[in-house]
Amino acid sequence: DVKVTQSSRYLVKRTGEKVFLECVQDMDHENMFWYRQDPGLGLRLIYFSYDVKMKEKGDIPEGYSVSREKKERFSLILESASTNQTSMYLCASSQPRGYGYTFGSGTRLTVV
Amino acid sequence: QKEVEQNSGPLSVPEGAIASLNCTYSDRGSQSFFWYRQYSGKSPELIMSIYSNGDKEDGRFTAQLNKASQYVSLLIRDSQPSDSATYLCAAPPSGNTGKLIFGQGTTLQVKP
Repeated sequence: DVKVTQSSRYLVKRTGEKVFLECVQDMDHENMFWYRQDPGLGLRLIYFSYDVKMKEKGDIPEGYSVSREKKERFSLILESASTNQTSMYLCASSQPRGYGYTFGSGTRLTVV
Repeated sequence: QKEVEQNSGPLSVPEGAIASLNCTYSDRGSQSFFWYRQYSGKSPELIMSIYSNGDKEDGRFTAQLNKASQYVSLLIRDSQPSDSATYLCAAPPSGNTGKLIFGQGTTLQVKP
């Protein structure tokens, strides 16, 4: 089974903190994605990556950055956490084309 | 703007009935389609994929695709209370970089 592991299930951080969300997949997938999900707004793509050291902005990249130094790991960074970044964050991975995603279990981040 | 649209519901059906979930998409270049199930507080789980016009059956689930009408549906036969969840439809845009566009999801309630 493809496994996508997110390092934390629940996280509480203070406004202004730098926050790292980690995601690791074990099936050698080229593509990795970070989404946030909020009630009524659905899944919104933050960043994605097709290969090591490659990244592309999604629909809502402001306030976020990413890092992909190794194929299996894709990190989402909140440079200076704000309360409007309180959300469920979902990491996913997939093969290059024509395949669905496998999602991690999600990180529910609360910024206070 | 490429879109995938679903009725948000809730769709309420009695236990044992057939639940019919619908999805339309705007990009005629989309070649593959996916249905995800998401329980409250959990991450989406891939339950069906369909690539060709017609029906694809997997247990109690049937996915139907009509590319001419740009329409995808998911039928759940003999609905169970455990099927109560939000169902997300997804499709890749043409050019197929591996990214998926998700609908907002339809909430299904199966009443005992």
